Amino acid sequence: DIVMTQIPLSLPVTPGEPASISCTSSQSLFDSDDASTYLDWYLQKPGQSPQLLIHTLFYRASGVPDRFSGSGSGTEFTLKISRVEAEDVGVYFCMQRIEFPITFGQGTRLEIK
Amino acid sequence: QVQLQESGPGLVKPSETLSLTCTVSGDSMDSYYWNWIRQPPGKGLEWIGYVYYSGSTNYNPSLKSRVTMSVDTSKNQFSLKVTSMTAADTAVYYCARGFIEEQFAVFYFDYWGQGTLVSVSS
Repeated sequence: DIVMTQIPLSLPVTPGEPASISCTSSQSLFDSDDASTYLDWYLQKPGQSPQLLIHTLFYRASGVPDRFSGSGSGTEFTLKISRVEAEDVGVYFCMQRIEFPITFGQGTRLEIK
Repeated sequence: QVQLQESGPGLVKPSETLSLTCTVSGDSMDSYYWNWIRQPPGKGLEWIGYVYYSGSTNYNPSLKSRVTMSVDTSKNQFSLKVTSMTAADTAVYYCARGFIEEQFAVFYFDYWGQGTLVSVSS
């Protein structure tokens, strides 16, 4: 199985400040057949189910504010929030889907200072 | 608006079989991959597997020997069965829709159910 590792596991942020979460995969998530990188980001807000933020490395899901952005290549990936808002609190998961079984990172808990 | 709703028992005895159903509303089930994902209390997410609308399946090898998924498009439902349940299977079980955009080869999860907590205890 592909192992997904996130850093940090806990992220206290002051509103209005930027935030960054790193995700590393044990194998490359780049598919040379279609030149796509199959790495997604999900946010699980308190008491809710996960919601899609970013898919296929950098594509924002419908309705996701443009302060969220995804980047990276191969095995190293980053989710950036340009200016954190109170509604961004929750646990962020990265997920790989280049091969089965689909696997997730352990999650990064973002909290407001 | 697409909605998914899990249903099933909240408590299962050790060694028994868990049966869950996910009811889909707001869209057809055709051309989508219907997934089950679970999350033990306070822990991360584990993909259990999917059933395609046509009935084909793909399971996580870690659970493959105990899992069966099926779909009934006439009822807009798909289901999960897990045999030989133990305390380690205690988790919130989510159903989720897998969607493939035309230019990509693999689905992502665009809609999730609210989740249902299943506890395993005698």
